Amino acid sequence: GAGVSQSPSNKVTEKGKDVELRCDPISGHTALYWYRQRLGQGLEFLIYFQGNSAPDKSGLPSDRFSAERTGESVSTLTIQRTQQEDSAVYLCASSLGGTRTGELFFGEGSRLTVL
Amino acid sequence: SQQGEEDPQALSIQEGENATMNCSYKTSINNLQWYRQNSGRGLVHLILIRSNEREKHSGRLRVTLDTSKKSSSLLITASRAADTASYFCATDARGDYKLSFGAGTTVTVRA
Repeated sequence: GAGVSQSPSNKVTEKGKDVELRCDPISGHTALYWYRQRLGQGLEFLIYFQGNSAPDKSGLPSDRFSAERTGESVSTLTIQRTQQEDSAVYLCASSLGGTRTGELFFGEGSRLTVL
Repeated sequence: SQQGEEDPQALSIQEGENATMNCSYKTSINNLQWYRQNSGRGLVHLILIRSNEREKHSGRLRVTLDTSKKSSSLLITASRAADTASYFCATDARGDYKLSFGAGTTVTVRA
C-alpha cells in the first residue's frame, strides 16, 4: 500500500483479555517501530525491528507485551491479560532503515480501550 | 525516558502570527526531527536536521539546532488555522537507532 496501515483502528476489550494489533509497513522499509501514546502525552517507545537483526525490545513495559515481525513485512503487537492502564493509542511507524535513522512514516494508530 | 522536551507545552496565537517552540535533549544525537500530529491522527514528518547542520528551512518552517546547548527550535511563520496541531521533536542518540519523542507542544491558531 501507499502508507503504513494499522488494524484495528479501534478496539474495546475487557480487562484480562488478550489483544492483537497489526501493522503493515511501507513496502521496502526495513525498520519498523511500535510506540504507545496515552491521552494528551508524548510517544513512548515500545519495540524496534531492523531487517533480520534481533529486535530492540527495551521499551516493552512488561512481559504481557510482545511483538513479532515476519521478515520485512507485517508486524503484530500482542498484549496479554490487558489492564486498564494499557488503554492508549498504539502507533506503528516504518522507515527505510540502514545505518542512520531517517524519516518515520506513521500509521493512523490503533486506539485500545480496556474496560 | 523521554530524550526531548518541548517548550512551551501549549501555545495560542492569532492567524498570521509566527509560532516558535523549543526542544531540549540530553545526549549527543545523530539528527533531530520535528513531527506534527493533528488530533486523533498519526504523526507526519516535517523536517530533519543533522547534527552537523545549524539551520534548515522548508516552506514556512525554520528549524535551528544548537548542539552545544542541546536544543532546537521550530518556527512556523505566517501561521494558518490548518497549523493547529501538536508538534513533537524526536532525536536518535549516537549509536542508537530508535527515535525518542518529547511530550509535544500543542499549538492553537485562532482565526
